[in-house]
Amino acid sequence: DTGVSQDPRHKITKRGQNVTFRCDPISEHNRLYWYRQTLGQGPEFLTYFQNEAQLEKSRLLSDRFSAERPKGSFSTLEIQRTEQGDSAMYLCASSLVDRGPQHFGDGTRLSIL
Amino acid sequence: GNSVTQMEGPVTLSEEAFLTINCTYTATGYPSLFWYVQYPGEGLQLLLKATKADDKGSNKGFEATYRKETTSFHLEKGSVQVSDSAVYFCALSDSMEYGNKLVFGAGTILRVKS
Repeated sequence: DTGVSQDPRHKITKRGQNVTFRCDPISEHNRLYWYRQTLGQGPEFLTYFQNEAQLEKSRLLSDRFSAERPKGSFSTLEIQRTEQGDSAMYLCASSLVDRGPQHFGDGTRLSIL
Repeated sequence: GNSVTQMEGPVTLSEEAFLTINCTYTATGYPSLFWYVQYPGEGLQLLLKATKADDKGSNKGFEATYRKETTSFHLEKGSVQVSDSAVYFCALSDSMEYGNKLVFGAGTILRVKS
């Protein structure tokens, strides 16, 4: 069990640029989740996948955000035309359906200049 | 919708003091309840869980009991250590499965002084 891995750990970009984050879940986990955490708040759910299917998206996920999990393994989260309000920690978690809780990665911290 | 409310921090205690961090929730159905901990510079880690009413979750000296009648899941520890300094998050999942989305509280910072 190597844990959930996220890349990069930090991303600094200018407003209006596109960014993409990657998450590698624990290898046998079939569910993968994305959350966003701003300073002083708990994580907020964005979206989740079961295998390659995206089963739910939060209203927080505007049309500038897109997530994929093409082969049911790693996932990417892309933010287009970044805005100041996108600055946050983006967390990925994975779990087995019906067994075990969610395991979190260390997150990607996004800073918008 | 479902929500979690935690006591505001920071909570500052001396080593070996008793800890309580209050957590109440609003949910339809029968959620599972969790406490996650985030140590400085690290990711979220599951501390303990409870899946049904009157269940007690415990780990590393921490305990929390799922109280359906008061919709609460308060975290307690009898004697805190400096190494317990962290941010603690109460969370619920919106069904009895582990595998559904989590709804988190805002987190409570705990600082333990030696």
